[in-house]
Amino acid sequence: GENVEQHPSTLSVQEGDSAVIKCTYSDSASNYFPWYKQELGKRPQLIIDIRSNVGEKKDQRIAVTLNKTAKHFSLHITETQPEDSAVYFCAASWFRGNMLTFGGGTRLMVKP
Amino acid sequence: SAVISQKPSRDICQRGTSLTIQCQVDSQVTMMFWYRQQPGQSLTLIATANQGSEATYESGFVIDKFPISRPNLTFSTLTVSNMSPEDSSIYLCSVEMGSGELFFGEGSRLTVL
Repeated sequence: GENVEQHPSTLSVQEGDSAVIKCTYSDSASNYFPWYKQELGKRPQLIIDIRSNVGEKKDQRIAVTLNKTAKHFSLHITETQPEDSAVYFCAASWFRGNMLTFGGGTRLMVKP
Repeated sequence: SAVISQKPSRDICQRGTSLTIQCQVDSQVTMMFWYRQQPGQSLTLIATANQGSEATYESGFVIDKFPISRPNLTFSTLTVSNMSPEDSSIYLCSVEMGSGELFFGEGSRLTVL
């Protein structure tokens, strides 16, 4: 089955700096790669996703890049703000949101 | 989007007992899933709840321990049977609406003493 590795497990940045979280996956058939944000005590919520037919996608301060050859994808957050502090999970699947395999999570702390 | 209600939101249970978690969605959905999130950990898929047939379980999860019902397209239950402290987790119901995005319920935080 699919295996998703996520790094780093914790990341501390100063407000205004950029944050990068990286994930690798094992199943070359995977074609859907979402990122979820989970604030303390809350449910995970989708913040951005990318499909295998594109290499990059942006939405305001967040962007995701995908390298299918190397089987890795990354989340980039620019101009970080304290409200970006949360746990971020990457995931991969071969069919839309079905059978998502999640990475281990990254706890992002943005210091004011 | 989907509005997903889970009950109970939290519970404290005794070892050896069973607890049933309910998941209600505000619209009909085809794909419904149950995830487990152990303290400080990631999300692990327990099973896919199939309407009108037996759930499809992931490796490491069995029907006797986690029986699932899916009587219609808006409702599912997950039972955690014969609980032990290792079952202390957050259990999350989720649905996929056809766009690829998974929507999660608020979760049911279970503590087993």
